[in-house]
Amino acid sequence: QVTLRESGPALLRPTQTLTLTCSVSGLSLNTPGMCVGWIRQAPGKALEWLALIDWDDDEFYSTSLRTRLTISRDTSKNQVVLTLANMDPVDTAIYYCARIPWEQPGGAAAWYSGYYFDYWGLGTLVTVSS
Amino acid sequence: QSALTQPASVSGSPGQSITISCTGTSSDVGSYNLVSWYQQHPGKVPKLIIYEANKRPSGVSDRFSGSKSGNAASLTISGLQSEDEATYYCSSYAGGQTLVFGGGTQLTVL
Repeated sequence: QVTLRESGPALLRPTQTLTLTCSVSGLSLNTPGMCVGWIRQAPGKALEWLALIDWDDDEFYSTSLRTRLTISRDTSKNQVVLTLANMDPVDTAIYYCARIPWEQPGGAAAWYSGYYFDYWGLGTLVTVSS
Repeated sequence: QSALTQPASVSGSPGQSITISCTGTSSDVGSYNLVSWYQQHPGKVPKLIIYEANKRPSGVSDRFSGSKSGNAASLTISGLQSEDEATYYCSSYAGGQTLVFGGGTQLTVL
């Protein structure tokens, strides 16, 4: 059973940088096939995918937020860290981390993912206000 | 990555079936069978209910089914129950290790 838990500041001022931590338990981030992503949801709005990082430390970002986002791993703590620079009130949202599973079907060498989030954290609300 | 298009709301009576559409482009939905659907009750965490267009995770009711044709995917819920009242989101792989979500559909059970 994989569990994820987000943590970070509840309130930020405009222009500050947001740093969020996703603590993972039940599976090491170094386990082949382990990939963690971040998704956010502004109040009353839709889900928005932000970034992914896999077991090989490969990083992938939303095109629209690429210049402001950084995702990284701290494998000693089994945590994934997301930073979002130059915060604005429109960035007010619940931020979720979630797992995307990868597998080697039939024991093949190639890795495959269905690109779906199967385990989610409870989310953390971040408010940006002056 | 532009958001996938979903109807803002659908409704149905208990016992009926409803279908929620999710329209993308040839760069996302049309190119991959990697569409997933999530159910989100108010104040709750999204829950995976369909993955790879038509597969159900263990424990998800078989009243939920998914399909895909061309640039569009669909979620069908049969035998509507009051507990199905929620917001439903589709998501698709969009190439280059990127993902895109739909705008969400609010389901009302009358």
